[in-house]
Amino acid sequence: GQQVMQIPQYQHVQEGEDFTTYCNSSTTLSNIQWYKQRPGGHPVFLIQLVKSGEVKKQKRLTFQFGEAKKNSSLHITATQTTDVGTYFCAPRSNYQLIWGAGTKLIIKP
Amino acid sequence: EAQVTQNPRYLITVTGKKLTVTCSQNMNHEYMSWYRQDPGLGLRQIYYSMNVEVTDKGDVPEGYKVSRKEKRNFPLILESPSPNQTSLYFCASSLSGGAAYNSPLHFGNGTRLTVT
Repeated sequence: GQQVMQIPQYQHVQEGEDFTTYCNSSTTLSNIQWYKQRPGGHPVFLIQLVKSGEVKKQKRLTFQFGEAKKNSSLHITATQTTDVGTYFCAPRSNYQLIWGAGTKLIIKP
Repeated sequence: EAQVTQNPRYLITVTGKKLTVTCSQNMNHEYMSWYRQDPGLGLRQIYYSMNVEVTDKGDVPEGYKVSRKEKRNFPLILESPSPNQTSLYFCASSLSGGAAYNSPLHFGNGTRLTVT
């Protein structure tokens, strides 16, 4: 079925460095949701993007939806230990909600 | 407090022994869904329900059953569990069945199932 590619699978950063995860689809998406899952926890909704080229910010998190509505990104500025976890994109296409494999953010000790 | 409650949190069982994982939500949500999560594979949908008495298969329904007799409850049934069903399971709900994917999903805390 429909698939979405989320990269990278892992990203190791020093605390204070930036982090970015990308979500790419070969087909046009209706909208896209982003979720965060802390270690040992459950996914928690972060945001939804609907419009072409949309950019939304939540404090140090910036979410973008591509102009063609085929890709999206999540950027975290100056990571903190509280940002650790796995970030999932969940785009909607043709009434189906599909999930990326997630990008795990790891803070180097 | 608005929440999705799954039970049990952990379950170890043997091949072939029927089990049920319960899921209940107190938000009057129409849409409910079950996912399994395996390393490197993200979340895969097992079954979903748009409303009472309306259920449909997700991407990986084989070996599972569900029912939606009441709005708040959506149990997941494994009639004859096998080791390949060892996984982390999440129940989720959202407000509207018709616009399910425009509404945020609220997840339960998960059930870690081991089948030996």
